[in-house]
Amino acid sequence: GAGVSQTPSNKVTEKGKYVELRCDPISGHTALYWYRQSLGQGPEFLIYFQGTGAADDSGLPNDRFFAVRPEGSVSTLKIQRTERGDSAVYLCASSQGTHRRTDTQYFGPGTRLTVL
Amino acid sequence: GNSVTQMEGPVTLSEEAFLTINCTYTATGYPSLFWYVQYPGEGLQLLLKATKADDKGSNKGFEATYRKETTSFHLEKGSVQVSDSAVYFCALSPPQGGSEKLVFGKGTKLTVNP
Repeated sequence: GAGVSQTPSNKVTEKGKYVELRCDPISGHTALYWYRQSLGQGPEFLIYFQGTGAADDSGLPNDRFFAVRPEGSVSTLKIQRTERGDSAVYLCASSQGTHRRTDTQYFGPGTRLTVL
Repeated sequence: GNSVTQMEGPVTLSEEAFLTINCTYTATGYPSLFWYVQYPGEGLQLLLKATKADDKGSNKGFEATYRKETTSFHLEKGSVQVSDSAVYFCALSPPQGGSEKLVFGKGTKLTVNP
């Protein structure tokens, strides 16, 4: 079956602009996660959705970052007033959401964001 | 807090050599432990996992045992192949409720030469 998909695969924007990154999880997965991976580092957690609600947004770095999942499937990560330090690969993952601590998270290919 | 420490790379081996990538963790209680792999040009994928102490995860010839005494989850393979060249990430899922996020180490890049 289809895996997690993310669009766009690459996004180049200018400092101060607004961007939206989309994630389409595996069908039927209720849990969805966003991570950010900087060069040479492991992924860092941003936000976790269970269904439509954000169950844990403790990883969002500041109020310029926001994410939604209005129908419990597709999610959009929104970044306002982008800064050069926001440049990274943004990863989305989904899991079944039944045994959350032990469930396997399936990752998408990521969106590489470059802020000039 | 919760954290994962991996041996720093890069690691370069010849084909058929023995591989160990060390991973230790800090967590309150007993987390679930994972190894993820990122092949060149591909996304992260689960390699193996262990959800309780003394469990051994295994896949594709790789193994790791959850050792609560040493808070470790070292990755091993008896005979590496060129196709194992990738970046390997150790990760944990915290034991306390509400935090289903994964906490990753920095990754270890492995290159296997023919």
